[in-house]
Amino acid sequence: DGGITQSPKYLFRKEGQNVTLSCEQNLNHDAMYWYRQDPGQGLRLIYYSQIVNDFQKGDIAEGYSVSREKKESFPLTVTSAQKNPTAFYLCASSIWARPQHFGDGTRLSIL
Amino acid sequence: AQSVSQHNHHVILSEAASLELGCNYSYGGTVNLFWYVQYPGQHLQLLLKYFSGDPLVKGIKGFEAEFIKSKFSFNLRKPSVQWSDTAEYFCAVTPNSGGYQKVTFGIGTKLQVIP
Repeated sequence: DGGITQSPKYLFRKEGQNVTLSCEQNLNHDAMYWYRQDPGQGLRLIYYSQIVNDFQKGDIAEGYSVSREKKESFPLTVTSAQKNPTAFYLCASSIWARPQHFGDGTRLSIL
Repeated sequence: AQSVSQHNHHVILSEAASLELGCNYSYGGTVNLFWYVQYPGQHLQLLLKYFSGDPLVKGIKGFEAEFIKSKFSFNLRKPSVQWSDTAEYFCAVTPNSGGYQKVTFGIGTKLQVIP
């Protein structure tokens, strides 16, 4: 079945460490997105990518980085510069301007 | 930039009660509107969408929503809720003006249905 796979499901980060969250889709979608979900704040856009080798900052990009070397993959790195990384991270993909499909999410916690 | 306001953050209903979740958006032009649902332990999934045409849209599992342009609203309704409707519901909006437009989500409404 087509869908979006996020891994790992749970991730722990030590102080000063960078961690990378994986997102893979086999829906042949051009656009991919990363959101952060915090209680009472809904979903906030971190980065998005319209096509391969191109990506744009969302509303809360500071402390995060992404790459889009392949259509299927859009990994998110949470850097040590992100001072409050504990959250639930959601990856999504879509055909341009159509509803987004979401992965199951990765819950990141600080050790 | 557009914004979305969901009025009810936590709603508790008994089974068979009727449901209406409020959603208002702010944007000066035409929009696409969505409701997503996140069941406990599951991923976000699309419940229904409005792009154009009939302002009353029907989604999965008996949900419907009505787009009232004059009120900038897109409220979600269901005549009779079930325990299985317990979930978090997100309203979302994106401008319908060509090219890439960011989707903006509301903060969500947690619905708890009591058997």
